[in-house]
Amino acid sequence: GENVEQHPSTLSVQEGDSAVIKCTYSDSASNYFPWYKQELGKGPQLIIDIRSNVGEKKDQRIAVTLNKTAKHFSLHITETQPEDSAVYFCAAIERGRRALTFGSGTRLQVQP
Amino acid sequence: DTAVSQTPKYLVTQMGNDKSIKCEQNLGHDTMYWYKQDSKKFLKIMFSYNNKELIINETVPNRFSPKSPDKAHLNLHINSLELGDSAVYFCASSQLLAFSSYNEQFFGPGTRLTVL
Repeated sequence: GENVEQHPSTLSVQEGDSAVIKCTYSDSASNYFPWYKQELGKGPQLIIDIRSNVGEKKDQRIAVTLNKTAKHFSLHITETQPEDSAVYFCAAIERGRRALTFGSGTRLQVQP
Repeated sequence: DTAVSQTPKYLVTQMGNDKSIKCEQNLGHDTMYWYKQDSKKFLKIMFSYNNKELIINETVPNRFSPKSPDKAHLNLHINSLELGDSAVYFCASSQLLAFSSYNEQFFGPGTRLTVL
């Protein structure tokens, strides 16, 4: 089955700096890679996703890149703000399987 | 307009008891899920139903039994609760576009289960 590794486990940045979170996956059949943000006491919320036929996707301050050959994908947040502070999860879904395999999460703290 | 709702939000109970968590989605999705998040925040799939049919059943003790009375509801019943069952349980739903294509999974707010 799929295995997703995520780094770093914690990340502290100054407001306005960029933050990068990296994930690797094991199954080359995986073809959908979402990123979720989880705020304290809430359920995960999708912030951006990418499919395996695309190398990069951007949505305002958030971007995701995918390297299928190396089997890794990354989340980039630019101009970080205190409200970006949360736990971020990467995930992958194998073709033919209908559930997400999550990474272990990254706690992002943006210092004002 | 809650998309995925769960009840209760908090559940505190004694070892050995039986409890249920309810989930409802009003998004018209055909697939629903139960995930477990442990104390280290690790999220793992437990079950998935598509059109009321069980399609994923991970290695979960038989004490856990999901039930889907209709496409909009997926309940989780847990028998003989153990200390290790303490966690946050999330319900989610999605609409499968096609067998090999996926759409966003929407998560509920979670149910924090504490077994004493």
